Amino acid sequence: DAGVTQSPTHLIKTRGQQVTLRCSPKSGHDTVSWYQQALGQGPQFIFQYYEEEERQRGNFPDRFSGHQFPNYSSELNVNALLLGDSALYLCASSFAPRNSPLHFGNGTRLTVT
Amino acid sequence: KQEVTQIPAALSVPEGENLVLNCSFTDSAIYNLQWFRQDPGKGLTSLLLIQSSQREQTSGRLNASLDKSSGRSTLYIAASQPGDSATYLCAVRGGGNYGQNFVFGPGTRLSVLP
Repeated sequence: DAGVTQSPTHLIKTRGQQVTLRCSPKSGHDTVSWYQQALGQGPQFIFQYYEEEERQRGNFPDRFSGHQFPNYSSELNVNALLLGDSALYLCASSFAPRNSPLHFGNGTRLTVT
Repeated sequence: KQEVTQIPAALSVPEGENLVLNCSFTDSAIYNLQWFRQDPGKGLTSLLLIQSSQREQTSGRLNASLDKSSGRSTLYIAASQPGDSATYLCAVRGGGNYGQNFVFGPGTRLSVLP
């Protein structure tokens, strides 16, 4: 049973560029959430997708956008990259009910130079 | 706004010791609380999920308790091993609208010395 998979593992971009990160949820899961984790800190919620719609959003600017596909996989897009966007980006999946646990992938390490 | 803190920030213990990690949250209107471990540079591994109606959950050497009214949870690790060395994070999911996101604490970095 495949868990949550994310690609790519590492990414180096230049300030001002755009980036797309990808996530496949754990088998049977229909809800995908994205988190940003800066070094030494806990993950910060970016947004959540269910039924191909953004259901909730954290305190992140519009430069951060996403998409969920009919097969429940998801993409995170970041435009006009800033140095401060350098972080570990984590994807988590779950069943829609709130009493189900989150399962995380290994993340994408984004470095902006 | 929900805020989650974890004490201590770092902990170093000799192998075999029992230990307790603490998590506190400011808004007691939570739906559930989940404990994770994170190895350096890796994603989060789910350890235990406690629903708001539960007092504790156990998995092997791990036991997590929840006191919602006081805004506290503890993770008890019995007979610690060097392989337990990692950062442990707690996260709370609020009540209210569907799909409320988890709010994470900063984590406790645990080192178990052989």
